[in-house]
Amino acid sequence: AQKITQTQPGMFVQEKEAVTLDCTYDTSDQSYGLFWYKQPSSGEMIFLIYQGSYDEQNATEGRYSLNFQKARKSANLVISASQLGDSAMYFCAMREGGYSSASKIIFGSGTRLSIRP
Amino acid sequence: DGGITQSPKYLFRKEGQNVTLSCEQNLNHDAMYWYRQDPGQGLRLIYYSQIVNDFQKGDIAEGYSVSREKKESFPLTVTSAQKNPTAFYLCASSAGQGRTEAFFGQGTRLTVV
Repeated sequence: AQKITQTQPGMFVQEKEAVTLDCTYDTSDQSYGLFWYKQPSSGEMIFLIYQGSYDEQNATEGRYSLNFQKARKSANLVISASQLGDSAMYFCAMREGGYSSASKIIFGSGTRLSIRP
Repeated sequence: DGGITQSPKYLFRKEGQNVTLSCEQNLNHDAMYWYRQDPGQGLRLIYYSQIVNDFQKGDIAEGYSVSREKKESFPLTVTSAQKNPTAFYLCASSAGQGRTEAFFGQGTRLTVV
């Protein structure tokens, strides 16, 4: 069954340090997509980064990168040079079926990241 | 500007009443989704729809109903059968090809008293 696991309920990081948020997933499908979202206290969901199961290189978007280890079924988010504005909830999500929209998207339980000045 | 609109932002209802949450998108997306979020928790899928006039149950569909009569609209009804309806509800949509992340509305915070 499709499942996303985030084992870090909360993390504290010093400003300007790098931080890694863990995500493992379970799927029997060969084609799938992985996403990371940020949710500030306002409640809005902000898309950060996407990784397709057939992508050979790890995805990067500015300060965000995704450490994709397919054999381990992990898709960790790395935030470099953290900023105070990075304090938020972070969710890992997955869609089976790769580039098709014909499947559901499920989310992990989230990690609350707090950046210390 | 294209986007997803959820209304209202805050909604109060008396216990035992049905209530319908609105979700409209002008992104021309095929797929739409409804999620429920409880305080400090993740998003749980209620219903999703891939095309007009078709939808599937998610993980927590009991006590909820949806319709998809138009591509742009995917309203969610919280029925009196839902035991604990107070929560934050998020609607999302996604395209069919290429990068297929979900775009979210601003959410509706439902309080049942």
